[in-house]
Amino acid sequence: AQSVAQPEDQVNVAEGNPLTVKCTYSVSGNPYLFWYVQYPNRGLQFLLKYITGDNLVKGSYGFEAEFNKSQTSFHLKKPSALVSDSALYFCAVRGVQTGANNLFFGTGTRLTVIP
Amino acid sequence: GAGVSQSPSNKVTEKGKDVELRCDPISGHTALYWYRQSLGQGLEFLIYFQGNSAPDKSGLPSDRFSAERTGGSVSTLTIQRTQQEDSAVYLCASSWSFEVEQFFGPGTRLTVL
Repeated sequence: AQSVAQPEDQVNVAEGNPLTVKCTYSVSGNPYLFWYVQYPNRGLQFLLKYITGDNLVKGSYGFEAEFNKSQTSFHLKKPSALVSDSALYFCAVRGVQTGANNLFFGTGTRLTVIP
Repeated sequence: GAGVSQSPSNKVTEKGKDVELRCDPISGHTALYWYRQSLGQGLEFLIYFQGNSAPDKSGLPSDRFSAERTGGSVSTLTIQRTQQEDSAVYLCASSWSFEVEQFFGPGTRLTVL
């Protein structure tokens, strides 16, 4: 079965400090991994994805994520947080070989950047 | 259009009534998805359409839920005999194929009184 875990419901970080939003996954075979962000009263926006290749992927708004196969993790990071980064972040996974058509989403992590 | 659009943005209905939610995907996207987001929950997959293939309905929570996609474009999600537990934000997404990222609409907030 496929699943995603975001162990932290809430992450607080001071503006200018580095941020990390954690994600671990469980899937059969090689994963497709995604991060999405949801701003208040808006739909989900794609941030970045890992399909294959370099384990460190860079995405929108200065975010990056590192795929770690041995730890089955795909943590989202940013070197210097902005107040405007405050939002709800979702990690999602699709197993390549399971035949599932949809993404499995985590329950989300609310990031608050404190000025 | 430039993005995925959904209508209505908000829908308030009474328990037992039927509702229809509409999704206009990005032009040319062959894959279309419906998800449900309940308060404090992640996204729950409902149904998936890919081209002219039979839809994947494995996520529909009950037979009160159904969806159609006409002409490979616009999709309608129908909920019959709505219940209070159906209250949620219903999100539609589309993509070129299942390997790539999905583009989400703004959602329809359904409130069942």
